[in-house]
Amino acid sequence: GAGVSQSPSNKVTEKGKDVELRCDPISGHTALYWYRQSLGQGLEFLIYFQGNSAPDKSGLPSDRFSAERTGGSVSTLTIQRTQQEDSAVYLCASSFRANEKLFFGSGTQLSVL
Amino acid sequence: QQQVKQSPQSLIVQKGGIPIINCAYENTAFDYFPWYQQFPGKGPALLIAIRPDVSEKKEGRFTISFNKSAKQFSLHIMDSQPGDSATYFCAATKYGGSQGNLIFGKGTKLSVKP
Repeated sequence: GAGVSQSPSNKVTEKGKDVELRCDPISGHTALYWYRQSLGQGLEFLIYFQGNSAPDKSGLPSDRFSAERTGGSVSTLTIQRTQQEDSAVYLCASSFRANEKLFFGSGTQLSVL
Repeated sequence: QQQVKQSPQSLIVQKGGIPIINCAYENTAFDYFPWYQQFPGKGPALLIAIRPDVSEKKEGRFTISFNKSAKQFSLHIMDSQPGDSATYFCAATKYGGSQGNLIFGKGTKLSVKP
């Protein structure tokens, strides 16, 4: 595709439910990032994938959060037992090489009721 | 060591004014300083970036000034327009490093009044 695609664009869930957020990066980009943006806040790093290397999970806020990247392409961010404080916009980005120009998707707005 | 401090949090200027947004970093290993622009409902997009081998970089109406000794950099928007109203994020990282942790500031919401 022409850009980074994220789905769904909006997700409303009940507290305690699990959610999966999907990211389709730009074809050929080796690096993929997940960030979280809370209302009025900056961009909080969550996790980073680079090629076949082990992911950098240092930003994941708790063990309820996990992510995988299949075949070096599509990535899924999973949040288990969602809490109200998980409500935020989850942004995915990809880049041709690590720490170069990031291309962001439009994000998934997650609302936990 | 990993923080990027950005100010101000919000900024209102008149059309034609020159808003200035400032950022400071702590990690002396950082050598890539991009600015991202974000419109409501969209993801951030790269606006301009600088490496520390130069003290200033200009692209159109956008200029980054970089002070390596002070570990500070700033974004200037010349002849600002209402269409520049957006949230601006500075960031810092080690260019091409193996770690993907691009550290962002908390953002500045800019409003340019007609």
